[in-house]
Amino acid sequence: QVQVVESGGDVVQPGRSLRLSCAAFGYTFSSYGMHWVRQAPGKGLEWVAVISNDGSKKYYADSVKGRFTISRDNSKNTLYLQMNSLTAEDTAVYYCTRDGGSYQLDWGQGTQVTVSS
Amino acid sequence: VIWMTQSPSLLSASTGDRVTISCRMSQGISSSLAWYQQKPGKAPELLIYAASTLQSGVPSRFSGSGSGTDFTLTISCLQSEDFATYYCQQYYSFPLTFGGGTKVEIK
Repeated sequence: QVQVVESGGDVVQPGRSLRLSCAAFGYTFSSYGMHWVRQAPGKGLEWVAVISNDGSKKYYADSVKGRFTISRDNSKNTLYLQMNSLTAEDTAVYYCTRDGGSYQLDWGQGTQVTVSS
Repeated sequence: VIWMTQSPSLLSASTGDRVTISCRMSQGISSSLAWYQQKPGKAPELLIYAASTLQSGVPSRFSGSGSGTDFTLTISCLQSEDFATYYCQQYYSFPLTFGGGTKVEIK
């Protein structure tokens, strides 16, 4: 059974950094690209970033480009999102998703990131 | 960036109704469109991809149509478990973008 489990969400001050993790289970992690998608409180979905199965290709939303870095460790079946220079606008639930062909095939339960002083 | 206009933003309907949600693109995307369902407090779930292909396990009362710039999600006979928020997403080009969502509520 495919499962992705996010962790690392926290309350952080503006300007600080945070790293999210996503552990994958039940499939061959190294065969699939992975995404991060976020949802601000009471708002819609916003795609954040994608990484190819081997980590060679990465794309980002303009809103996070230069501040966030997506990476993966295929030996640990784990996806990461390094978030720097956080602002209140980054407050959201962050979802890890398995790529089905650029659409979101499977979703985790999400991890809450709150940026507040 | 490909912009998406999803309508309506709120739809009031009754069990048994046929409902239709629209998604319009700012430029053509062939059939690179997915639909998701999200219930309160839960993660979204994939319903349809490639504009009209039903994801495994999704009831056949859900269907998708369209290509190019205009797409539609139809629920043929609304069930109680279908009251939720629905999002379209284009995956034709990066950055990927989502529609603003349609909340289907009980009339």
